[in-house]
Amino acid sequence: DTAVSQTPKYLVTQMGNDKSIKCEQNLGHDTMYWYKQDSKKFLKIMFSYNNKELIINETVPNRFSPKSPDKAHLNLHINSLELGDSAVYFCASSPPGSSREAFFGQGTRLTVV
Amino acid sequence: DAKTTQPNSMESNEEEPVHLPCNHSTISGTDYIHWYRQLPSQGPEYVIHGLTSNVNNRMASLAIAEDRKSSTLILHRATLRDAAVYYCILISNTNAGKSTFGDGTTLTVKP
Repeated sequence: DTAVSQTPKYLVTQMGNDKSIKCEQNLGHDTMYWYKQDSKKFLKIMFSYNNKELIINETVPNRFSPKSPDKAHLNLHINSLELGDSAVYFCASSPPGSSREAFFGQGTRLTVV
Repeated sequence: DAKTTQPNSMESNEEEPVHLPCNHSTISGTDYIHWYRQLPSQGPEYVIHGLTSNVNNRMASLAIAEDRKSSTLILHRATLRDAAVYYCILISNTNAGKSTFGDGTTLTVKP
């Protein structure tokens, strides 16, 4: 079983559309994350979320919003997609605490045309 | 946020040891030093982490300087499958939600 799974793996869409990327983890972790990796391979955190707290990176546009229906899922919803949103998005999860390792999904390659 | 500095790229021969350096001169006392690697077309993968003492696991060793301002990831015998981008990142309870990986070191392993 895949520990952290994302769907879809590839997503091609037009500017202005609204899209969602789903993420599920079966590790029982309390904390989940979304990262964005741009064309230069720079990996930047977007959100950190557990059932108590949402931490938003201040550089993330408010068109991006995490939605968590339950502890095992953290979906990423994006409104009014722009060309600059094209990137690979990674979901991750970890137990609480800074000394614990994070597990990443395989990524979703989003292309906005 | 405390930042890390790594060389852009390194090369190694297969079956030789590899020492990947990371500078983190602004590290705080509560920051853990984590290492991840990313193989082509895959998500990042945890390698090792430590706080003050050197650490060993089945994948690698982590040597931490006494002043904690630098660390070195050691792959004892590089294989072709170790070719990846290696990221050094500082994580604490206060910045866990804002940690960014940085540019990393692209390791090339030559047969």
